[in-house]
Amino acid sequence: SAVISQKPSRDICQRGTSLTIQCQVDSQVTMMFWYRQQPGQSLTLIATANQGSEATYESGFVIDKFPISRPNLTFSTLTVSNMSPEDSSIYLCSVEGGSSYNEQFFGPGTRLTVL
Amino acid sequence: AQSVTQLGSHVSVSEGALVLLRCNYSSSVPPYLFWYVQYPNQGLQLLLKYTTGATLVKGINGFEAEFKKSETSFHLTKPSAHMSDAAEYFCAVGRRGSNYKLTFGKGTLLTVNP
Repeated sequence: SAVISQKPSRDICQRGTSLTIQCQVDSQVTMMFWYRQQPGQSLTLIATANQGSEATYESGFVIDKFPISRPNLTFSTLTVSNMSPEDSSIYLCSVEGGSSYNEQFFGPGTRLTVL
Repeated sequence: AQSVTQLGSHVSVSEGALVLLRCNYSSSVPPYLFWYVQYPNQGLQLLLKYTTGATLVKGINGFEAEFKKSETSFHLTKPSAHMSDAAEYFCAVGRRGSNYKLTFGKGTLLTVNP
């Protein structure tokens, strides 16, 4: 399985600012995913990021709020823009497992608190 | 559309007791099914998966799950709970041709009492 790291591991931010979260994988992968896990909740897919193409956003998430970059096969960033306290969540990146069975492997997450 | 229902947001067992975490799914096509575990302040770790073939699948840390098509269930079990099993467990469903998208259940928090 892939080894995935995220930076920062946690942050406390002020309302109205933006934070960029980095996701690094130790091997080349085609598909990367960004999830939000709100306090006490399950995972909600924000977008799918394929290298060389625009990210595909899920219903309820827009590029202006969550811009994503995918410059190569081992790296992606998610920016949380113009933050409000409602954006306080854990943000997780994941990668496809390389088989054809939908498995994904997850990073450790970024714990974001917005004041 | 797919959906996952995990019965019981919180399950508490004694150390050494049977662990049973329930998961029911809805899918219009044969599903791929997964259990993930999330330890405090960590990401999700794949515990086990059902794709095709044998319906009883074994995972890490002594866990296993059985795919029952007639009951649309994929319950997770472990014969004897250990204190280190305390974590949040998520059931997830995927399907062929969905570009690896997974639908997650709401999670079940397992606590293990000494």
